[in-house]
Amino acid sequence: GNSVTQMEGPVTLSEEAFLTINCTYTATGYPSLFWYVQYPGEGLQLLLKATKADDKGSNKGFEATYRKETTSFHLEKGSVQVSDSAVYFCALSEVSGGSNYKLTFGKGTLLTVNP
Amino acid sequence: KAGVTQTPRYLIKTRGQQVTLSCSPISGHRSVSWYQQTPGQGLQFLFEYFSETQRNKGNFPGRFSGRQFSNSRSEMNVSTLELGDSALYLCASSQSGVGTDTQYFGPGTRLTVL
Repeated sequence: GNSVTQMEGPVTLSEEAFLTINCTYTATGYPSLFWYVQYPGEGLQLLLKATKADDKGSNKGFEATYRKETTSFHLEKGSVQVSDSAVYFCALSEVSGGSNYKLTFGKGTLLTVNP
Repeated sequence: KAGVTQTPRYLIKTRGQQVTLSCSPISGHRSVSWYQQTPGQGLQFLFEYFSETQRNKGNFPGRFSGRQFSNSRSEMNVSTLELGDSALYLCASSQSGVGTDTQYFGPGTRLTVL
């Protein structure tokens, strides 16, 4: 079945540091890939997405590129802020087949940014 | 547009009781999905509904059930509650539910089973 593997956290960075959160996936078809962010006490918010190979999703300074050859969708940001402190989830959704209509999530990575 | 709303936000129940959670999707969205979030298991898919039909179901016991109404609002029910059902239950809506669609999440219902 489908699966998503994220780097284990927690990740602690200083403000303005470079961020990478690794994400690799296993899927039987051609999935769409997503990064969601969850702030304390809230639901999930879509951060960015990519629906086909070599697509780059970007939002609020975050970027991730859909790499089919390495089955990866790593999240990056050049300069993190304290306000980026949250839990980040990588997820995939199949476009067709039995796993359609649902998201498969990684376990999440807690990011803490210190001033 | 208003976002996904879930009611209630917090619930405390005792073992053996049943509970019903409600979700109102974004206007125009016809697909509603439910997820359970726990510290140990992370985010797990419960089920998805589209036009009042369940199209996909996760690996949960039959005590977990759901339905969708003609206005796309959805409810999930958990009967005979167990301590392990304590979790954040998240509802998500999308226009069609297919893989390229973005799912928009509500704030969740925090269920505590004592």
